[in-house]
Amino acid sequence: QLVLTQSPSASASLGASVKLTCTLSSGHSSYAIAWHQQQPEKGPRFLMKLNSDGSHSKGDGIPDRFSGSSSGAERYLTISSLQSEDEADYYCQTWGTDIRVFGGGTKLTVL
Amino acid sequence: EVQLVESGGGLVQPGGSLKLSCAASGFTFSGSAMHWVRQASGKGLEWVGRIRYKAHNYATAYGASVKGRFTLSRDDSKNTAYLQMNSLKTEDTAVYYCASEPEDGSGYLDNWGQGTLVTVSS
Repeated sequence: QLVLTQSPSASASLGASVKLTCTLSSGHSSYAIAWHQQQPEKGPRFLMKLNSDGSHSKGDGIPDRFSGSSSGAERYLTISSLQSEDEADYYCQTWGTDIRVFGGGTKLTVL
Repeated sequence: EVQLVESGGGLVQPGGSLKLSCAASGFTFSGSAMHWVRQASGKGLEWVGRIRYKAHNYATAYGASVKGRFTLSRDDSKNTAYLQMNSLKTEDTAVYYCASEPEDGSGYLDNWGQGTLVTVSS
């Protein structure tokens, strides 16, 4: 079964960096994912597509502070030079034939 | 600029029906699969379903919790996607988002609407 696992919460200080993790279920380590950001009271926003080899393509207007990387079944989103507006929920998403799957989301707090 | 605008949300009684619309602009709607995703208050994102485009015979797929009750459709002449929701349950209460998929069929969702709230309550 295709499942994505995310830690419920993370925190980091203003100006620092943070690395969020999304883990693919067993047998699905080659899957690409997408990262989405949801700021409070807003709809989600596509950040990037992230492949198993770590290559990624970002959405329009996504700052260079956002980057992705991969290792085995884990997919990472790194946000550097944290700003207050980065405080949001971050969801990973993947896909199979006739199915789309979301992780449970990570709530990022900027201290 | 890509825009997705949902409408049609509101209050409906359990067992009732509601039809949501998603008006699209700024991209080739007729060549893109369209998705619906929902989010209950304080919860995460849940995929509802997808409708492909004409070249793929408008094929649909649904999440397990809505299969058999919800139906996706689209009108490419109006650049609009629809979500018909029947036999609504209280647990269907959520903000419903439409989202598009890239024209190459990559599988991820690259544009989102702002959402419309559906409340199922007596």
